[in-house]
Amino acid sequence: QLQLQESGPGLVKPSETLSLTCTVSGGSISSSSYYWGWVRQPPGKGLDWIGSIYYSGSTSYNPSLKSRVTISVDTSENHFSLRLSSVTAADTAVYYCARLMGIRGWFDPWGQGTLVTVSS
Amino acid sequence: EIVLTQSPATLSLSPGERATLSCRASQSVSSYLAWYQQKPGQAPRLLIYDASNRATGIPARFSGSGSETDFTLTISSLEPEDFAVYYCQQRSNWPITFGQGTRLEIK
Repeated sequence: QLQLQESGPGLVKPSETLSLTCTVSGGSISSSSYYWGWVRQPPGKGLDWIGSIYYSGSTSYNPSLKSRVTISVDTSENHFSLRLSSVTAADTAVYYCARLMGIRGWFDPWGQGTLVTVSS
Repeated sequence: EIVLTQSPATLSLSPGERATLSCRASQSVSSYLAWYQQKPGQAPRLLIYDASNRATGIPARFSGSGSETDFTLTISSLEPEDFAVYYCQQRSNWPITFGQGTRLEIK
């Protein structure tokens, strides 16, 4: 059974860079059928797609965050990562990683999510 | 960007009743619409993909319909565990977008 697990600091200072890793277990991140993505959810609000990556390293980003986002993949470690630079309080959210069914697909399954708070 | 508008914002029903949730797209998404269920403190769970296909393990009481700009998620007879927030998501155009959610609460 495929599982995803987010990891990284729960507190980031304003103007610094948020870094998270999603470790995939129970399956290979190098599968040709899937992409891998990040979605975030500010407290009490809805879901926002951040970006997605293929095992080859090909990426797609939400234009609203594109200037600050980098998603990378490490197939040897079976994980992918998110970096979001110049964070502000507006970036406080639960960050989820998930598998995408295709380049622009639906998300299934999801990691449990990790809360990242931006505060000094 | 395609905007998805969900209605109602909150739906109050009793167990055993039928729930009908709506998702309207600002432009056609063909049948490329998914539905998710999210319970407090949990990640979203995929229910329906491509408008009407139930995901693996999803009970038959959940069904999806619609195309182009108007979509419906129907729960035929509510179970206590169905009370949650439901989101729609389109994959027709970049960027991928979600609706703002419908909260299904116990009446």
